[in-house]
Amino acid sequence: QKEVEQDPGPLSVPEGAIVSLNCTYSNSAFQYFMWYRQYSRKGPELLMYTYSSGNKEDGRFTAQVDKSSKYISLFIRDSQPSDSATYLCAPDTGRRALTFGSGTRLQVQP
Amino acid sequence: GAGVSQTPSNKVTEKGKYVELRCDPISGHTALYWYRQSLGQGPEFLIYFQGTGAADDSGLPNDRFFAVRPEGSVSTLKIQRTERGDSAVYLCASSQGGDGSEQFFGPGTRLTVL
Repeated sequence: QKEVEQDPGPLSVPEGAIVSLNCTYSNSAFQYFMWYRQYSRKGPELLMYTYSSGNKEDGRFTAQVDKSSKYISLFIRDSQPSDSATYLCAPDTGRRALTFGSGTRLQVQP
Repeated sequence: GAGVSQTPSNKVTEKGKYVELRCDPISGHTALYWYRQSLGQGPEFLIYFQGTGAADDSGLPNDRFFAVRPEGSVSTLKIQRTERGDSAVYLCASSQGGDGSEQFFGPGTRLTVL
C-alpha cells in the first residue's frame, strides 16, 4: 500500500462547477498538508498549505484536513478552464522530503 | 531569472551511457531538492541539500545515482550506466530553508533512455 493514495481521474466538470479532490494517507507522522497544481510539462506549484487538522480557505480554494480519518480534501468553487491541471496532494512529516500522491487530472470544460 | 532553471529541458541517451542534469536554484535559497516523476505518477523524492552537503539522500534508488552541490548553489544530478527504467522527468526544487519552507520547482528535465 502506498503512503498516499489519490484517485488519478481524469475528472471532467463543466465551467462553474464545484470540484472535490481527495487523498488518503497512512503515515500518522504527517503534520503538514500541501496541495500542488501541475500544468502539462511544467513543475508543480504550491497551491495550498495547511498545518494539522481543520479548514483553510484562499479565494476559490478550500483545503480540508481530517487527521483522525487520515483524509485530505481540496475544494474548488466556480471552477474555470484555467484550473485544468493535475492536482497533487503532498503530506509532509517536516523532514522536507515531500511524499506526493499520484495526482488527479482535472479538466474544466468551457 | 526569477525561478528555478534546469538544463537541458530534454535529454535522449542510450542505455549504458552517463548523463548529467543541471539545476540552478533561486538566488539565496539554501535548500535544494531533486525529485523524479514517472509518467502518471507524482514526484518521488531523491535527495535534499542544505548548503553544500546532502542532508538526506534516502531517496536515491541505487549507487548509479549521485548528486553534488559544490558551492551551495548550482547542483548536478549524475546518472551512470543509464537504464531504460531511468526514463522520467527529473525535477529540481529550492527553498529558503527551515521547516515548512515552500519548495519552488523548476520545469524539469525529461530524460529518455533508449
